[in-house]
Order: sequence, then C-alpha cells, then structure tokens
Amino acid sequence: EAQVTQNPRYLITVTGKKLTVTCSQNMNHEYMSWYRQDPGLGLRQIYYSMNVEVTDKGDVPEGYKVSRKEKRNFPLILESPSPNQTSLYFCASSTGGRETQYFGPGTRLLVL
Amino acid sequence: GNSVTQMEGPVTLSEEAFLTINCTYTATGYPSLFWYVQYPGEGLQLLLKATKADDKGSNKGFEATYRKETTSFHLEKGSVQVSDSAVYFCALSSTGTASKLTFGTGTRLQVTL
Repeated sequence: EAQVTQNPRYLITVTGKKLTVTCSQNMNHEYMSWYRQDPGLGLRQIYYSMNVEVTDKGDVPEGYKVSRKEKRNFPLILESPSPNQTSLYFCASSTGGRETQYFGPGTRLLVL
Repeated sequence: GNSVTQMEGPVTLSEEAFLTINCTYTATGYPSLFWYVQYPGEGLQLLLKATKADDKGSNKGFEATYRKETTSFHLEKGSVQVSDSAVYFCALSSTGTASKLTFGTGTRLQVTL
C-alpha cells in the first residue's frame, strides 16, 4: 500500500529536550515536505526537499532542522523544543512541485 | 506572495443540503488549485484539483471550477451527507515553487441528520 508514515503519532516532551519525528514514504517520490497545522493558520510549510541531500526552508523554518540522506526518509529534528512548537505536524511527499501531495497521518506534539 | 482565502467556518448543514465553500487566491503565474479534506484524526487527502483555467475538478460528488477571471475555486456539492463532516482546505501550487503548497486556513463542515 502506498503511504507516508510518521512516528511517533503523539509526543509530550519538555522544553529543551531534543527530539526527532521520522517520516518515510514508499512511493519513490523525489519531493518531501514538513508542515505544521495550527488553529486559524491552516498549514504552513517548515522545510522541503527536492531530492536526496537537497533541502530548503519553507515559511516557518526557525527552530527546526531536516535531513535527506535517503530518498524515502525525511526526519524533522527539533534541537531545543519550545512551547511555541506545540502543534500538529504533517509530512508529505509528491512526484513534483505542482503535483498532488500525499500526507502522513500527523504527529501531535506538546512541549511543556 | 501567494495567498489563499477561504470562508470562515464552521459551516453547519442538514443532510442533503447544498454546500458551497468559497475560496479565492492570489498568485503569480498560473497556479494549480487543490481541495484537500481532513477527516477527524487523520491526515489530509486530496479531494480534487484543477491545473488550468476553466478546468473542473470533481470527486465523490464534489466539484470546483478554476475561474481565473475571479481568481476563485469554490467547492460545491449538491447533497451533503453526514460522512462529509470534515475540515476542507483550499490550496495552490504556483509555477516555479518546488513542492510548496500554500493553504487556506480551512473550513470545518458539520453535517447533521
């Protein structure tokens, strides 16, 4: 089954404790993205990757890091999480910039 | 820059009512337009899309027509069902932006019996 998976689905952590949210896709897509969803703001792009070792900032990259060492994986790293990063995070993949994006199920993060 | 404006929610309708969710956009070039749907507790999934002016996207009884003259992509359905209750997002992807969708803020639809 074609899918995007994210782990963990739910995470509660404390300020400053580094964490990683994993994302993996099995569709051989070149493009992958991370979004955060906040009430009243819709989805905002954090980072995206056009291919292995090629990443770029989205609209709200501050406080986040990403890497793309393999085509299928695109982890999101919060080096020192803060309460304003409490949000619902989605990973997505696609064949190209203007094509349909396929979303993972989301990771709900709470930073205390 | 690019932006998407969609009507505020929540929208509450009775089953079998007609649905319209308005969406207008600002973009350079010739964007592709999308409607995504998010059911409770799930990720977003594509509902329909249109890639050029006057195209009509349709799926599951939903329709939207790409109107370049009014920069709009309104979502419609003739007869909603309880199972259509979800959050609907209008989005665009414009020329030259790799893997970037610009989303509206979402409109929650609740359908009651």
